[in-house]
Amino acid sequence: DQQVKQNSPSLSVQEGRISILNCDYTNSMFDYFLWYKKYPAEGPTFLISISSIKDKNEDGRFTVFLNKSAKHLSLHIVPSQPGDSAVYFCAASVTSGSARQLTFGSGTQLTVLP
Amino acid sequence: DAGVIQSPRHEVTEMGQEVTLRCKPISGHNSLFWYRQTMMRGLELLIYFNNNVPIDDSGMPEDRFSAKMPNASFSTLKIQPSEPRDSAVYFCASSLKGPSSYNEQFFGPGTRLTVL
Repeated sequence: DQQVKQNSPSLSVQEGRISILNCDYTNSMFDYFLWYKKYPAEGPTFLISISSIKDKNEDGRFTVFLNKSAKHLSLHIVPSQPGDSAVYFCAASVTSGSARQLTFGSGTQLTVLP
Repeated sequence: DAGVIQSPRHEVTEMGQEVTLRCKPISGHNSLFWYRQTMMRGLELLIYFNNNVPIDDSGMPEDRFSAKMPNASFSTLKIQPSEPRDSAVYFCASSLKGPSSYNEQFFGPGTRLTVL
């Protein structure tokens, strides 16, 4: 049972436009959410995160929105650039005693067209 | 810092053979995670260690999989015997758990395993 779902395996956007990547989760105990970006032949790298006590977090061109009632979060990239083309993973975690376990979605391949 | 180091980067082996994947976490990090990435299931957590102690191995698919962390700077993931369905990219990640810092996980480049 997938607790974190990214229902769009791929997304294509024109350079300069907004990219919106979506993520849904089922576990109401998740209290921290992250987005990772992955280029081919590299490991995922942390992009941006949000705590469940907030509904928005912004970092430059990247903004993450959290809708707890809908159990939905989204990543907005504006303006999109060709270098943003990568696989984006949504991840969620629950506070635990020893270390935060991350549950990942299956990823969305973003292609930004020049 | 060199980041998380994984070896080998690519491994091709025949069904039934033993495979050992290696990971060196970032110095000073006290948590280590092994993930598997497949097209069908995305990134799955296999096992994680905190201060060299395995905390949760519920993601390990079968008894054929085992992981060890003999010290703070080295971990192995072993598959014995390997099967074609084990073909995937295996990632190691490390993090620093502290009272005031969110423990962001830093990933290695991964090992692409192909079992023929």
